[in-house]
Amino acid sequence: NFMLTQPHSVSESPGKTVTISCTRSSGSIANNYVQWYQQRPGSSPTTVIYENNQRPSGVPDRFSGSIDSSSNSASLTISGLKTEDEADYYCQSFDSSSQVFGGGTKLTVL
Amino acid sequence: QVQLQESGPGLVKPSETLSLTCTVSGGSISSSSYYWGWIRQPPGKGLEWIGDIYYIGSTYYNPSLKSRVTISADTSQNQFSLRLSSVTAADTAVYYCARRSYHPHYFDYWGQGTLVTVSS
Repeated sequence: NFMLTQPHSVSESPGKTVTISCTRSSGSIANNYVQWYQQRPGSSPTTVIYENNQRPSGVPDRFSGSIDSSSNSASLTISGLKTEDEADYYCQSFDSSSQVFGGGTKLTVL
Repeated sequence: QVQLQESGPGLVKPSETLSLTCTVSGGSISSSSYYWGWIRQPPGKGLEWIGDIYYIGSTYYNPSLKSRVTISADTSQNQFSLRLSSVTAADTAVYYCARRSYHPHYFDYWGQGTLVTVSS
């Protein structure tokens, strides 16, 4: 199996842009879609990005996703940060038989 | 609107079997477009995928839990269930049931989660 590694925490000011990385330990990041979930305290996760760079309806276009084969990683970028974006963010991908979540990144908007 | 609701005991003794049921409304677990799965989150920690079941009964499990996990479905009740045997304190977590769409690929609906504590 493979792992997805995320930074434990990131922080940025309102109105700024932040990028959260997710590095795949083995197997190509490009071979299986990457999803990103937002989880606020006490709530279930919700999807902000699916299939590398697609936004579900209702997710603002301040959220964007990408993958980089050279670093075997995916990234979630949030622009125009708002205090409501403060949450935990998890990347997720899969292989032939398993789903894997990253360890999560706590985003602080201060 | 699809809704998922977990149910089951909130307290399980060490070495016993944890059993949870997820009741689905607003959609059928017999649909060929979705997998139905369980994900858990220990207090203060990250998400861990436990496993999925597909409408034809195929199951997929996290290799680290595979020897202790069984996921089954009751299409007549539109429910699916989780059994985790030989539990220890490390299995204390919020357990979520979720729907995983095949295409597009993502967990699109989640239950509210239920806390299961393993303690004597």
